Amino acid sequence: GQQLNQSPQSMFIQEGEDVSMNCTSSSIFNTWLWYKQDPGEGPVLLIALYKAGELTSNGRLTAQFGITRKDSFLNISASIPSDVGIYFCAGQRTGANNLFFGTGTRLTVIP
Amino acid sequence: DARVTQTPRHKVTEMGQEVTMRCQPILGHNTVFWYRQTMMQGLELLAYFRNRAPLDDSGMPKDRFSAEMPDATLATLKIQPSEPRDSAVYFCASGLASYGYTFGSGTRLTVV
Repeated sequence: GQQLNQSPQSMFIQEGEDVSMNCTSSSIFNTWLWYKQDPGEGPVLLIALYKAGELTSNGRLTAQFGITRKDSFLNISASIPSDVGIYFCAGQRTGANNLFFGTGTRLTVIP
Repeated sequence: DARVTQTPRHKVTEMGQEVTMRCQPILGHNTVFWYRQTMMQGLELLAYFRNRAPLDDSGMPKDRFSAEMPDATLATLKIQPSEPRDSAVYFCASGLASYGYTFGSGTRLTVV
């Protein structure tokens, strides 16, 4: 199946630091989504991107839809302990309903 | 807040037994998905429905898995017979096409 590669796989950062993670694909997507998953819960949608080059913010989170449509980036500024979790990217093609998920980035924030 | 409700939250069963997982999608959402999450494979699409019609179930082992939407408020995923390799967290998600989807809290299945 479609493989979306996320990096890094895991991150350990100090509270207050900024975080960057990215997602790359071998094929083009027309929508990129970023989800966060807390332990024991389902993924929760953070940001949706619908246009190549688009830069969208949601509070301390900023995500970008890569120009090539094969990648996307998520940045978290001034991390706090509740940012801990697994972050997933997901891609969707025009006319298709299903999402292809990335491998996830596990974030640990040290107080 | 509207939410996707999945039951049961946890299920432990013996190999060979039938397992049924249920999902109540958000009212008004016309697309419903079943995903399975494991450490090794991550999130894998099993099946999805649009307006209650199955559109894609190619991710499901057809010999033992079946997914249905008897009505707009209920989606079911059944495994018969269950095997240890089916142990995973099964998520249901619902939404309107192309606007991101809302996931339930999942059913953690353990087959012993």
